[in-house]
Amino acid sequence: KQEVTQIPAALSVPEGENLVLNCSFTDSAIYNLQWFRQDPGKGLTSLLLIQSSQREQTSGRLNASLDKSSGRSTLYIAASQPGDSATYLCAVVHILTGGGNKLTFGTGTQLKVEL
Amino acid sequence: DAGVIQSPRHEVTEMGQEVTLRCKPISGHNSLFWYRQTMMRGLELLIYFNNNVPIDDSGMPEDRFSAKMPNASFSTLKIQPSEPRDSAVYFCASRILQGGGYTFGSGTRLTVV
Repeated sequence: KQEVTQIPAALSVPEGENLVLNCSFTDSAIYNLQWFRQDPGKGLTSLLLIQSSQREQTSGRLNASLDKSSGRSTLYIAASQPGDSATYLCAVVHILTGGGNKLTFGTGTQLKVEL
Repeated sequence: DAGVIQSPRHEVTEMGQEVTLRCKPISGHNSLFWYRQTMMRGLELLIYFNNNVPIDDSGMPEDRFSAKMPNASFSTLKIQPSEPRDSAVYFCASRILQGGGYTFGSGTRLTVV
């Protein structure tokens, strides 16, 4: 059974700091990995999608890396801003025995960026 | 594209009533997923469809839950009869079957009293 863990569970940083969110997964047979953010009471917004053949993806101040063999991904946020405050979720699409695939979410990191 | 559209946004109902949640996936996406999110359990996959066919419904908690996808542009999740423990946010998501990322709707916040 695929298990996805995110560390830390919560993080509070001052504005302007660079930070790293970690995601680990137990089954390396994945199709891709996706990072989302969720604001309180809202839906999930996709941030970055990394295919299993890729090592990293970048979008603006965000950079996500993937090391499939070790079962790890990191989300790097540069020059954090109060508007980055949200819960960040890592999700892996992994291959099921017998075919098919499934998206499994991590436990989330709740980020607060303070003025 | 308007994204994945879910309705209603909020639903408050009495225990025992039937509840129907609706979802319109992104045009061209051929996989559709229903998730439930609670504080205790996080995001749980309930069921998913590929090309309108249910593939895995092992996450559906009980027979009170049922889902249909009559065509590529519409899906419903029905709870009958509803119970207070069904209170949660229900998300619908869609993707392109081969390698695409997931796009989530804004969710339906269900409260069963």
